[in-house]
Amino acid sequence: AQSVSQHNHHVILSEAASLELGCNYSYGGTVNLFWYVQYPGQHLQLLLKYFSGDPLVKGIKGFEAEFIKSKFSFNLRKPSVQWSDTAEYFCAVNLSGGYNKLIFGAGTRLAVHP
Amino acid sequence: NAGVTQTPKFQVLKTGQSMTLQCAQDMNHNSMYWYRQDPGMGLRLIYYSASEGTTDKGEVPNGYNVSRLNKREFSLRLESAAPSQTSVYFCASSPRQGTLDLHFGNGTRLTVT
Repeated sequence: AQSVSQHNHHVILSEAASLELGCNYSYGGTVNLFWYVQYPGQHLQLLLKYFSGDPLVKGIKGFEAEFIKSKFSFNLRKPSVQWSDTAEYFCAVNLSGGYNKLIFGAGTRLAVHP
Repeated sequence: NAGVTQTPKFQVLKTGQSMTLQCAQDMNHNSMYWYRQDPGMGLRLIYYSASEGTTDKGEVPNGYNVSRLNKREFSLRLESAAPSQTSVYFCASSPRQGTLDLHFGNGTRLTVT
């Protein structure tokens, strides 16, 4: 069955540190990939998505993600985090061309200290 | 533009009680979804509706029913609530089948005692 793994459940960083959150999926076919963010007390918002083309995707608020097909990975990065980036981050995968639903990872809770 | 509106925001039920969670979107989206969010498990799809008049089971449909009342509204019903259904429930919509650019509501926090 299709699944999504986020290896880091909790990450604690200081402001200005670099961030990389891992995401791996288990499916050999064509996929669409997403990162969502949930700020404390808020609903999920789309951070960025990959459907096709350039595997380096840039999203909002300085985030980017790189799709590496050979590694089944879609890691999220940010060069310098801010306190306001404190949130929970979810990776999600969809089988393109067929399914109408996303499979979410368990999430990574990021805490950024000033 | 309200986006996706869920009611209620909070609910406490006793085991065996029933209730309906309401969801409405004003973005003219075709597809709508119900997810539950549990700690350490991310979001799991309960049911979805690809378009008006259709509904399909997701990963965890047991204990739930849905109704796509019209294009705007997609309700989730718990016929006989159980403590295992204590969770945060999110409704979402997307413009059309396959785009999966989901717009989420603010969630309903349900506790079943």
